[in-house]
Amino acid sequence: SQELEQSPQSLIVQEGKNLTINCTSSKTLYGLYWYKQKYGEGLIFLMMLQKGGEEKSHEKITAKLDEKKQQSSLHITASQPSHAGIYLCGADPGGGADGLTFGKGTHLIIQP
Amino acid sequence: KAGVTQTPRYLIKTRGQQVTLSCSPISGHRSVSWYQQTPGQGLQFLFEYFSETQRNKGNFPGRFSGRQFSNSRSEMNVSTLELGDSALYLCASSLGGQGRQETQYFGPGTRLLVL
Repeated sequence: SQELEQSPQSLIVQEGKNLTINCTSSKTLYGLYWYKQKYGEGLIFLMMLQKGGEEKSHEKITAKLDEKKQQSSLHITASQPSHAGIYLCGADPGGGADGLTFGKGTHLIIQP
Repeated sequence: KAGVTQTPRYLIKTRGQQVTLSCSPISGHRSVSWYQQTPGQGLQFLFEYFSETQRNKGNFPGRFSGRQFSNSRSEMNVSTLELGDSALYLCASSLGGQGRQETQYFGPGTRLLVL
């Protein structure tokens, strides 16, 4: 079965600084999703990447997919308190109507 | 469009009881997936329903079951509750086409505590 490893597990960043979160898959990525979760709440969809080399941006968040490395990165520029939360990557295992496989998440804390 | 809604938001049950959780998908979405989230195991896929049929199932015991109605609303049931069933249960909806890589939109979750 596919496994997703996220790094780092937790991150404390001073407000205004940039940061990067990585997600590495044990198998070929057919689709990679990034979600954000406030503690104890539902997941908010951020971005979906489908093709190797694809890069998407929304406001100050940019995600990239490196298909060869089976890896995706999420980069936040000029972090703000609103960016705090848990970032989860999810992957489509492929080969059928399976549910998404998720990483364990990266806990992001923004220090004012 | 209204998002995915889940009821109730919080539940407290005792061991051995059963519980039913409800999920209403985004209007027009025909697929509903259920996930369990715990601190130890993270987010794990329970099952997916499409057109009132279970299309896929994760690795959970038979105590976990679900169903979907003709209006795409879904319920999941957990029988003979165990302490380890305490978790945040999330449902997600998507359009449900046969193609892969459809975005799933999540509800706020139901927090279940088993005492």
